[in-house]
Amino acid sequence: EAQVTQNPRYLITVTGKKLTVTCSQNMNHEYMSWYRQDPGLGLRQIYYSMNVEVTDKGDVPEGYKVSRKEKRNFPLILESPSPNQTSLYFCASSPGVGGDQPQHFGDGTRLSIL
Amino acid sequence: EDQVTQSPEALRLQEGESSSLNCSYTVSGLRGLFWYRQDPGKGPEFLFTLYSAGEEKEKERLKATLTKKESFLHITAPKPEDSATYLCAVQAPRRAGTYKYIFGTGTRLKVLA
Repeated sequence: EAQVTQNPRYLITVTGKKLTVTCSQNMNHEYMSWYRQDPGLGLRQIYYSMNVEVTDKGDVPEGYKVSRKEKRNFPLILESPSPNQTSLYFCASSPGVGGDQPQHFGDGTRLSIL
Repeated sequence: EDQVTQSPEALRLQEGESSSLNCSYTVSGLRGLFWYRQDPGKGPEFLFTLYSAGEEKEKERLKATLTKKESFLHITAPKPEDSATYLCAVQAPRRAGTYKYIFGTGTRLKVLA
């Protein structure tokens, strides 16, 4: 089954404790992206990766890092999490970035930073 | 500033009562407009892409249309299983050769049996 898999689905942690949210896709997609979803703000892009060679900042990259060492995986790293990073996070992938290549989303990771 | 606004925020319909959801946008260089459906506890699920004014796409009880300033998602004779949050997003140029996606905050639809 074609899918984007995120882990963990839920995490409660404390300020400053480094964490990684993993994302894996099995569709051989080039493009991968991370979003956060907050009430009243919609989905906002954190980082994206056009392919294994190219990764760049989205609209809200502060406090986050990403890594794209292989095509299928795109982990999101919070080196020193803070309470304002409490949010619902989604990973997405698509074959490319054309309009005829819509993004497929994972089921989300709910992070609570105390 | 690029922006996507969806209305209404929430909508309650009786089963069979048709209605429309609105997505208005201001963006430079629209590449495409997307509609997604999001169920509780799930990620957005792709429905349609529209590219140019006048275009229409249909899928079961849903029909999406596009003008130069807005898009509508028409729901004909909805059923309770159509209850979900519907998201609109636009794709536009970001930097050389790359693109950004701007999402609206969604319309929460509840269809009552």
